[in-house]
Amino acid sequence: GENVEQHPSTLSVQEGDSAVIKCTYSDSASNYFPWYKQELGKRPQLIIDIRSNVGEKKDQRIAVTLNKTAKHFSLHITETQPEDSAVYFCAASSGNTPLVFGKGTRLSVIA
Amino acid sequence: DTGVSQNPRHKITKRGQNVTFRCDPISEHNRLYWYRQTLGQGPEFLTYFQNEAQLEKSRLLSDRFSAERPKGSFSTLEIQRTEQGDSAMYLCASSIGFGTTEAFFGQGTRLTVV
Repeated sequence: GENVEQHPSTLSVQEGDSAVIKCTYSDSASNYFPWYKQELGKRPQLIIDIRSNVGEKKDQRIAVTLNKTAKHFSLHITETQPEDSAVYFCAASSGNTPLVFGKGTRLSVIA
Repeated sequence: DTGVSQNPRHKITKRGQNVTFRCDPISEHNRLYWYRQTLGQGPEFLTYFQNEAQLEKSRLLSDRFSAERPKGSFSTLEIQRTEQGDSAMYLCASSIGFGTTEAFFGQGTRLTVV
């Protein structure tokens, strides 16, 4: 089955700097790669996703890149703000299989 | 609130007791997932339904766990003879259609086994 590795497990950045979180996956059949943000005590919420027919997707300060050959994808957050502080999870799915999640990255944005 | 709803939000139970959680998905969503999340970890897949059919169950899922989704609407997750290791947040999510679509999560049920 699918296995998703995520790193780093914790990340601290100064406000205004960029943050990058990386994930690798094992199943070459996976074709959907969402990123979820989970604030303390709240439910995970989708912030961006990418499908295997594209290599990059951007939404304001957030971007995701996908390298299918290397089986890795990354989340990029630019101009970080204190409200970006949360735990971020990557996930992978082949569409007809459930999402498999990474272990999460705790991002702290220091004002 | 028209999102995914889970009840109860919190449950404290004594070891050996049975507990049941309920999930009401977004009404037009045909897929429903149960995940378990422990502190500092990502959601771990337990089982999922497409309409009323249970399509997959994690190999890690003990026989003490059972889930149903009668009539393809709400779902229940029952844990029999609870153990302290069952203490976790149980998350339900739902999605629409086939293929690559967003899964919406509920607020979760936090189970504490004492």
